[in-house]
Amino acid sequence: DGGITQSPKYLFRKEGQNVTLSCEQNLNHDAMYWYRQDPGQGLRLIYYSQIVNDFQKGDIAEGYSVSREKKESFPLTVTSAQKNPTAFYLCASRRTGSRTEAFFGQGTRLTVV
Amino acid sequence: EDKVVQSPLSLVVHEGDTVTLNCSYEVTNFRSLLWYKQEKKAPTFLFMLTSSGIEKKSGRLSSILDKKELFSILNITATQTGDSAVYLCAVALINTGTASKLTFGTGTRLQVTL
Repeated sequence: DGGITQSPKYLFRKEGQNVTLSCEQNLNHDAMYWYRQDPGQGLRLIYYSQIVNDFQKGDIAEGYSVSREKKESFPLTVTSAQKNPTAFYLCASRRTGSRTEAFFGQGTRLTVV
Repeated sequence: EDKVVQSPLSLVVHEGDTVTLNCSYEVTNFRSLLWYKQEKKAPTFLFMLTSSGIEKKSGRLSSILDKKELFSILNITATQTGDSAVYLCAVALINTGTASKLTFGTGTRLQVTL
């Protein structure tokens, strides 16, 4: 079955540690996105990528980093510079070149203690 | 700065009521507007709108776009408790350079009570 897989579902980390969230898709989509969702809030864009080895900062990129070495994979690293990293993180992908919807993974809930 | 604003932020209705959710936007290079429903984790796709005045309909849900006034509405008729969710509006921009931005609004939390 085609889809987007995020792992892990739940993640706990101590303050000051970097942590990497995984996002893999087998939909052959070009574009991939990372969003952050806080309780009672909408989705805020962290980073997005249209093609391999290229990515753009979203609205809240500070304290985060990404890579796009393969079309299928778009990992997000939450660094110690992110002041308030506890949140729900969603990864999405979509085809480009046409008007298409984005498909989402099931998310990773990160808790920093 | 691209902006997508949804209203109301939250809404409580009784089963059987009709609700209208609003989404307005201020963006450059508009391509399409999308509606999603988020119940627990992953948002699920409802509608994509690209042309003004053409209603999209799926069962009790319908949506329409006004590109002149820069807004869209999502209507839900005869609401059921299963409609309780966060409804998200997003705007996709025409590709600029190598990237295609997809910006979401704050969402509307709908609660349908018996």
